[in-house]
Amino acid sequence: GENVEQHPSTLSVQEGDSAVIKCTYSDSASNYFPWYKQELGKRPQLIIDIRSNVGEKKDQRIAVTLNKTAKHFSLHITETQPEDSAVYFCAAISPSGSARQLTFGSGTQLTVLP
Amino acid sequence: ETGVTQSPTHLIKTRGQQVTLRCSSQSGHNTVSWYQQALGQGPQFIFQYYREEENGRGNFPPRFSGLQFPNYSSELNVNALELDDSALYLCASSLTGGADTQYFGPGTRLTVL
Repeated sequence: GENVEQHPSTLSVQEGDSAVIKCTYSDSASNYFPWYKQELGKRPQLIIDIRSNVGEKKDQRIAVTLNKTAKHFSLHITETQPEDSAVYFCAAISPSGSARQLTFGSGTQLTVLP
Repeated sequence: ETGVTQSPTHLIKTRGQQVTLRCSSQSGHNTVSWYQQALGQGPQFIFQYYREEENGRGNFPPRFSGLQFPNYSSELNVNALELDDSALYLCASSLTGGADTQYFGPGTRLTVL
């Protein structure tokens, strides 16, 4: 099955700086890669996603890049704000199973220091 | 707000007991997936239901079972509870069995003593 690794596990940045979180996946057939933000005690919220036929996608301060050859994808947050502080999870869906199941990374605790 | 709801919010059980968790999918969504999220970890896939049939299952024992109803709401049942079952249980709904975007409910925090 699919395996997703995520780095770093913790990340602290100064307000206004950029943050980058990286993930690698094992199944070259995986074709959908979402990123979720989870604040303490709350549900995971989809913040951006990318499909395997696209190399980059942007939504205001958030961008995701995908390198299919290297099997890795990254989340970029620019001009970070204190409200960006949360745990971020990457995930992947592989078509090899019968269900469109999300395989998650282990999460990155992002802290934005004022 | 995504529209996915779960009940109850919190639950405390003892080892060996049975528990039923409930999920109402977002309007128009006919696929529900269940995930277990242990403290400090990413969610782990339990199973998925599509049009009332189990559509796939993760690496969980048979004491984890589920149902989906004609209105696409769903239940997760766990028998013979173990201490390691303590976790946040999340359900996520999506538009069809082949759609990828999954929207999560707020979760049920289960504590097994």
